[in-house]
Amino acid sequence: SQKIEQNSEALNIQEGKTATLTCNYTNYSPAYLQWYRQDPGRGPVFLLLIRENEKEKRKERLKVTFDTTLKQSLFHITASQPADSATYLCATRGYSTLTFGKGTMLLVSP
Amino acid sequence: KAGVTQTPRYLIKTRGQQVTLSCSPISGHRSVSWYQQTPGQGLQFLFEYFSETQRNKGNFPGRFSGRQFSNSRSEMNVSTLELGDSALYLCASSLVGGRSSYEQYFGPGTRLTVT
Repeated sequence: SQKIEQNSEALNIQEGKTATLTCNYTNYSPAYLQWYRQDPGRGPVFLLLIRENEKEKRKERLKVTFDTTLKQSLFHITASQPADSATYLCATRGYSTLTFGKGTMLLVSP
Repeated sequence: KAGVTQTPRYLIKTRGQQVTLSCSPISGHRSVSWYQQTPGQGLQFLFEYFSETQRNKGNFPGRFSGRQFSNSRSEMNVSTLELGDSALYLCASSLVGGRSSYEQYFGPGTRLTVT
């Protein structure tokens, strides 16, 4: 079955810098990857979806890349703000279920 | 458009009891999925319902069950509660179910504590 791996260590960056989060998958190349944001005690919120035939997707300050050779997706937040502090989850649908990584916590300090 | 709602938001139960959680999806969404989230295991898929039929099921014991009604509202039930069932239970709805790539819209979750 598909396994999603995200860096379990929190990422600490300064306001204004670009945050880069990594999502690696272990088996077959998925048709797409999704990225979600989750704040403490709340449900995840969908951010972006990138398909395997897309190299890059952008939405405002967010950018996602998909490298099927490296089996990896990178999630970038440019000009980061303290309000971007949250846990970011990567997900993909396997044969029948949506599989989530455990998420990476991002902390943006002023 | 109203988002996904879940009731109750918080619940405290004793080992051995059973619990029923409720989820109302976004209007027009026919697919409802349930997830269990714990600090150690992250988000784990429980089951998915589409048009009142269970489409997929995760790797959880039979104590975990669910159903979906004709109005797409869904309930999940956990019988004979164990301490390890303490978790945040999240419901998510989407426009379609199965292998679709449509994004999931999550509710706020029900925080279940088993003592």
